Amino acid sequence: IQMTQSPSSLSASVGDRVTITCRASQVIRSDLGWYQQRPGKAPERLIYPASSLQGGVPSRFSASGSGTEFTLTISGLQPEDFATYYCLQHDYYPRTFGQGTRIEVK
Amino acid sequence: QVQLQESGPGLVKPSETLSLTCSVSGGAITGYYWSWIRQPPGRGLEWIGWIFYRGNTNYNPSLQSRVTMSVDTSKNQVSLKLNSVTATDTAVYYCAKGRDGYNDWGQGTLVTVSS
Repeated sequence: IQMTQSPSSLSASVGDRVTITCRASQVIRSDLGWYQQRPGKAPERLIYPASSLQGGVPSRFSASGSGTEFTLTISGLQPEDFATYYCLQHDYYPRTFGQGTRIEVK
Repeated sequence: QVQLQESGPGLVKPSETLSLTCSVSGGAITGYYWSWIRQPPGRGLEWIGWIFYRGNTNYNPSLQSRVTMSVDTSKNQVSLKLNSVTATDTAVYYCAKGRDGYNDWGQGTLVTVSS
């Protein structure tokens, strides 16, 4: 399964609302997670499965989707949110990540 | 919360075998799946595979011929071996707890393949 993430990067300001999309090459139901990775750090899971916020993750993060199209939205970008975000499908083997979306400061 | 720590040589010669250990503390290995994921410098994440504490494995077909994972429940450790390495195997290697998603990750260890 190929996971196509878009955009590959975006420039935004604190307070902005940003949306990242992940498209699967075939139906993966809701078997998808979203991860945030800061430079030099391991990824951290934000959402799993598909739209369920992990404990401790701020409510400005939300996600939706099923089938082949999934979105991650950050409503009110905060300084600590400038990072790279990845989706991961876990419906098929091999597990596959999207190529990542880097959120940069405008 | 469980803690994971990868360890192993940071430099491996081409054609040799990369060997890493993931030490688990704060929780038992038994009952869980343990995964390995890698990330070449400046690039995205690649799933390597998982091992169940009983020894069942599932590997990425792109690496299957070269990968071996094992578990040592007495030491609370999971191991990864990747043989016949080339420069394209240079990456940060992460271990993570889980099969279908990962809430717990090690900090990662950089392995460089170079002569």
